[in-house]
Amino acid sequence: SQQGEEDPQALSIQEGENATMNCSYKTSINNLQWYRQNSGRGLVHLILIRSNEREKHSGRLRVTLDTSKKSSSLLITASRAADTASYFCATDDVYSGGSNYKLTFGKGTLLTVNP
Amino acid sequence: KAGVTQTPRYLIKTRGQQVTLSCSPISGHRSVSWYQQTPGQGLQFLFEYFSETQRNKGNFPGRFSGRQFSNSRSEMNVSTLELGDSALYLCASSSTRSGYTFGSGTRLTVV
Repeated sequence: SQQGEEDPQALSIQEGENATMNCSYKTSINNLQWYRQNSGRGLVHLILIRSNEREKHSGRLRVTLDTSKKSSSLLITASRAADTASYFCATDDVYSGGSNYKLTFGKGTLLTVNP
Repeated sequence: KAGVTQTPRYLIKTRGQQVTLSCSPISGHRSVSWYQQTPGQGLQFLFEYFSETQRNKGNFPGRFSGRQFSNSRSEMNVSTLELGDSALYLCASSSTRSGYTFGSGTRLTVV
């Protein structure tokens, strides 16, 4: 079953604008990760935020995590046409105090950045 | 450093046949996991192997199986293929220090 649920399902913006995608999940997590996928190819790891972190930055990416609301957001600033892709959140869920060695993915947000 | 290599990239099979997909992880990574991606169900976990042992398995029928070799390379097998098995199959390798690195996937089409 899908743990993470992203919204919106699709987002279309102009180059230079910021894009914000949200993810909600249901169980306790060790960490939450964001991935990008271009046209049905492999997943590219963007950023990982641990359950004890609240915010993390990487280049034009900013991720926040609110464990009390079981939600995360991914902000891409100054978007470019090359950012056009599907974005997925994935959780590493707590299992027996550790990990169950798998990621649980949301259904993703399709981001289109128009030149 | 070479990434995760999945072979073949594309595959067309007939219903009832079986298929074997291969995954070579990043050198030094001992954990390999497999995911199925379809438009309807999204990304779903199949199984994970570490040092030749399956540590977790997703909710898939027994037609889906896998194994890992002593060099950490992994294979997954699907027997008695059904149309619904058409999907992108993704392999990921990881270590205790790194996150998951995914391969480019194998696109399986069952006709």
